[in-house]
Amino acid sequence: DVKVTQSSRYLVKRTGEKVFLECVQDMDHENMFWYRQDPGLGLRLIYFSYDVKMKEKGDIPEGYSVSREKKERFSLILESASTNQTSMYLCASRGARDRPYGYTFGSGTRLTVV
Amino acid sequence: DQQVKQNSPSLSVQEGRISILNCDYTNSMFDYFLWYKKYPAEGPTFLISISSIKDKNEDGRFTVFLNKSAKHLSLHIVPSQPGDSAVYFCAASGAGNQGGKLIFGQGTELSVKP
Repeated sequence: DVKVTQSSRYLVKRTGEKVFLECVQDMDHENMFWYRQDPGLGLRLIYFSYDVKMKEKGDIPEGYSVSREKKERFSLILESASTNQTSMYLCASRGARDRPYGYTFGSGTRLTVV
Repeated sequence: DQQVKQNSPSLSVQEGRISILNCDYTNSMFDYFLWYKKYPAEGPTFLISISSIKDKNEDGRFTVFLNKSAKHLSLHIVPSQPGDSAVYFCAASGAGNQGGKLIFGQGTELSVKP
């Protein structure tokens, strides 16, 4: 089975800190995604990458950036954390020729910004 | 604008009865629809999908129905079991969508009572 690993389950950061959320997948998937989950809003796409060094903005990219230097790793960066970025962050990956648009998700990182 | 909507934030059902979760969409270009299930502190897991050229797909206790004219899909769980208690997300993807980007609904929290 594909494994998608997010480096931290829980994080507490201070306002203004630079925050790195790391995601690693072990199945040579081309496509990787970062979502955030908030009550009543569902999963909203922040950024995605369909290949190494390629990135595309999702629906809510403001305040975030990403890095994909290697195929297996996709990092989400909060340049200056703010309290409205407190959320559950979910990373996902998918092979370009996988079953129709099915993703494999990591377990999530619960980020609290104080 | 919310292209995929789940208008019921929660649903409570008795064990053994049918659970029906609903989802509406606005974009007629979507070509695949998926349901994901999410337990607290875990990432979403794929449950079932349906292509836009079909109107029904069944997998064990889970059946998804698609009504393209109404832009509506539903997930039926029969019989419901306490272990089905989770948040269910509807998702959709469009033809020619680079990277297989999925658009999610807000989620419906299902509670199955013994």
